[in-house]
Amino acid sequence: DIQMTQSPSSLSASVGDRVTITCRSSQDISKYLAWLQQKPGKAPKSLIFGASNLQSGVPSRFSGSGSGTDFSLTISSLQPEDFATYYCQQYNFYPLTFGQGTRLEIK
Amino acid sequence: QVQVVESGGGVVQPGRSLRLSCAASGFTFSTYGMHWVRQAPGKGLEWVAVISNDGSKKHYEDSVKGRFTISRDNSKNTLYVQMNSLRAEDTAVYYCAKGGPRAEIIDYWGQGTLVIVSS
Repeated sequence: DIQMTQSPSSLSASVGDRVTITCRSSQDISKYLAWLQQKPGKAPKSLIFGASNLQSGVPSRFSGSGSGTDFSLTISSLQPEDFATYYCQQYNFYPLTFGQGTRLEIK
Repeated sequence: QVQVVESGGGVVQPGRSLRLSCAASGFTFSTYGMHWVRQAPGKGLEWVAVISNDGSKKHYEDSVKGRFTISRDNSKNTLYVQMNSLRAEDTAVYYCAKGGPRAEIIDYWGQGTLVIVSS
């Protein structure tokens, strides 16, 4: 199975900050990577697919990049509603696998 | 708008069975692959299974192979997972999720249903 490793595991930031979360896969997954957001007690929300394509309705302050084994999610200017846990997920091979999550907290 | 609503969760004893359902609306159900993803309390996301739009292809995570069966009824716009020989480690919130134009790309998630396996 492909292992997905995110860093950092947690991150403190302030409203207006620019933050970047990284994700590394144990094998080349081309651009078959998604990013998800999950708020406490809520279902995940899909943000990005194909490493850099925003899902419908996702604000443009979210962006993704990378290919192969190294990927990143950037939030250009943090808003209060962005404080959540973020997961990367590969979908190049079954079983689909997720990173362990990055908890983004308010500083 | 797209909606997927899970039901059927509850408390079940180890070794027993449970069937979860997911009612879909707001899209042409028979066109899209569908997934089950679970999340143990306080833990991360774990993909469980996927079924193709017509039900002909299925994939499972190793720990549920032979115990869980994913299925769908396109006439009822409903996704199922039959869970047999349940274990304590199957305790989780189970999410139904819709695949996109490529089935592996999940675009919508349900709110989840909690399964607790305990004696």
